[in-house]
Amino acid sequence: DTAVSQTPKYLVTQMGNDKSIKCEQNLGHDTMYWYKQDSKKFLKIMFSYNNKELIINETVPNRFSPKSPDKAHLNLHINSLELGDSAVYFCASSQRTGGTDTQYFGPGTRLTVL
Amino acid sequence: AQSVAQPEDQVNVAEGNPLTVKCTYSVSGNPYLFWYVQYPNRGLQFLLKYITGDNLVKGSYGFEAEFNKSQTSFHLKKPSALVSDSALYFCAVRDPINDMRFGAGTRLTVKP
Repeated sequence: DTAVSQTPKYLVTQMGNDKSIKCEQNLGHDTMYWYKQDSKKFLKIMFSYNNKELIINETVPNRFSPKSPDKAHLNLHINSLELGDSAVYFCASSQRTGGTDTQYFGPGTRLTVL
Repeated sequence: AQSVAQPEDQVNVAEGNPLTVKCTYSVSGNPYLFWYVQYPNRGLQFLLKYITGDNLVKGSYGFEAEFNKSQTSFHLKKPSALVSDSALYFCAVRDPINDMRFGAGTRLTVKP
């Protein structure tokens, strides 16, 4: 069983469109994250959710909105896509409460905005 | 504020030789330190971590790292490199309050 899964694996879309990326973890972790990895492989944290509460938001444009229907899922919705949004987006999860916060990553979603 | 630095963008070693990938950090309080590896077109995989205890930490695939508090370093090492170790390596740090910060990554190339 895949611990952290993301769909889709590849996403190609036009500027101005709205798209969503889904993430699910079956590790029973209490915290989930979204990261953006740019073309230079720099990894930037975008959001984290702990028990349905947003606990960080690192200067990400408000076109990006995380949505967590339950603690096993954290979806990323992006409005009005721009060329600069092209990147690989990684979901991750960890156990923060009572744990060491080791993060486990999904396989990534490669977003290409044309 | 916490930060982490990986001073080398690229490390090249010959197969069978020892390898070191460097990492230094800055945190308030006691650090939690991590190493992750990323193979091409894959997500990050956890290698090892230091939370407390013995300064020498052993992890997956024969890797180890040494926590050095005085030098604020957490260098990743392996006694004998394999071609299959070629990948992108990320150091990460967090303190008990703040979220994790990743370094910029170091690309390791092991040549036959």
